[in-house]
Amino acid sequence: GAVVSQHPSWVICKSGTSVKIECRSLDFQATTMFWYRQFPKQSLMLMATSNEGSKATYEQGVEKDKFLINHASLTLSTLTVTSAHPEDSSFYICSARDRRAGANVLTFGAGSRLTVL
Amino acid sequence: KNEVEQSPQNLTAQEGEFITINCSYSVGISALHWLQQHPGGGIVSLFMLSSGKKKHGRLIATINIQEKHSSLHITASHPRDSAVYICAVRLDFGNEKLTFGTGTRLTIIP
Repeated sequence: GAVVSQHPSWVICKSGTSVKIECRSLDFQATTMFWYRQFPKQSLMLMATSNEGSKATYEQGVEKDKFLINHASLTLSTLTVTSAHPEDSSFYICSARDRRAGANVLTFGAGSRLTVL
Repeated sequence: KNEVEQSPQNLTAQEGEFITINCSYSVGISALHWLQQHPGGGIVSLFMLSSGKKKHGRLIATINIQEKHSSLHITASHPRDSAVYICAVRLDFGNEKLTFGTGTRLTIIP
């Protein structure tokens, strides 16, 4: 079945540093990947749509200069939280859809828990 | 008001009980997903529905497009079913964006 690998699963960083999170589709190509954020006890919120070979589409209220998304290949999208602050501490998760014939399965990464000190 | 409402927010039941989780939405949709999120955070897609009913093992999902309502049922519930169950809707055909419900936290007691 379709597998999306997300790395790192957890990261602790100091305020002001940048953190990169990777999302890879292991056995299928994903022209589109999605990045979500989830605060404790809340539901997922879509941050941005990552498009291979073009600029990401950000949801209202999400700062594109703070959350840099790069989708350089059909199997890899990265989210970089720049100049992280404690309020950026959250659970970040990506998803992609396997559109191979007979599939059409939505698959999520395992998520990355970011703690900014 | 959230476009996707789930009920109940929390549900505790004994092992073996039949479980129903409800999802109502206020807009037209192209598809509805039921997702399962375990305590570690990982999310598994259980079902994608655009009409009717689907069954996978002890899980059954139904959707009524006219009433804008979907239910997720778990038969013969087991402690390993304890998780947060999330309903998410896709509004447009060709648009992959999902709008999420707030989730239902299910706890099955042995």
